[in-house]
Amino acid sequence: ELKVEQNPLFLSMQEGKNYTIYCNYSTTSDRLYWYRQDPGKSLESLFVLLSNGAVKQEGRLMASLDTKARLSTLHITAAVHDLSATYFCAVGGNYGGSQGNLIFGKGTKLSVKP
Amino acid sequence: DGGITQSPKYLFRKEGQNVTLSCEQNLNHDAMYWYRQDPGQGLRLIYYSQIVNDFQKGDIAEGYSVSREKKESFPLTVTSAQKNPTAFYLCASSRRPTGSDRKVYNQPQHFGDGTRLSIL
Repeated sequence: ELKVEQNPLFLSMQEGKNYTIYCNYSTTSDRLYWYRQDPGKSLESLFVLLSNGAVKQEGRLMASLDTKARLSTLHITAAVHDLSATYFCAVGGNYGGSQGNLIFGKGTKLSVKP
Repeated sequence: DGGITQSPKYLFRKEGQNVTLSCEQNLNHDAMYWYRQDPGQGLRLIYYSQIVNDFQKGDIAEGYSVSREKKESFPLTVTSAQKNPTAFYLCASSRRPTGSDRKVYNQPQHFGDGTRLSIL
C-alpha cells in the first residue's frame, strides 16, 4: 500500500530565510506532484516530477525527485509572505498499473513572518 | 475559460438528511474524483470515475454515493449513513489516466473551489 509522509507538518519561517519540505513515499512510483492550497481555497498545481533526478523551479520554489530514495523535496529560497500556504505532495501509481489515483501527504502548513 | 465548478460553496445538513454536492467541468476530461479534507489533514479519496456510467470506490466511500451520467458532471451525495460529514469536499478532474499516451497519464489533476459541509 502506497503511503506518503511529509515533514515538517508545520513550518514557521522568517522572510528571507531558506528551508526545505520533505516528501517520502513507501513504494515505487514514477509520478509525483506538488500542490499549493491557500486557506479555504482549492489546490493549485505547482510541479509535476516524472523521472529520477528531475528538478523544476518556479520563482522561489524548487522541487526535486529521487526515485531511488523515494524522496521529493520542495526548497524555498528567500521566503516572502506570499508563500504562506499549505503545500501538499501527491504520489501516483506507475504507468500501466494503477488507475491514476493519487495518494496525498498530510500537507505542510507554511507561515512566513516578517 | 475552462474549469471545474463546485456548488454550493457552503452547505448545511440536518440529521437524517441526504445532501448532494454538485461538480461540473468543461475541460473535456474523462476522469473525475471526489476528495474529503478534514482540518490539518491531507486529501482522502471518496469515489472516482474514469468514464461515463462507471465509477469506483476510493478509500472512504462508506456513507457516500455518486453517479456519472454525463461526462461533464459527477455529483456526490452525502447520505444519512455518513455520521461525521463535516468536512471540506473537493472535486477534481484529469484526462483519462489509463490511456496509451503517457503524457496524458502524467497530467496533474485540476481541482474545483470546494464545498464546505457542516451539520445543523
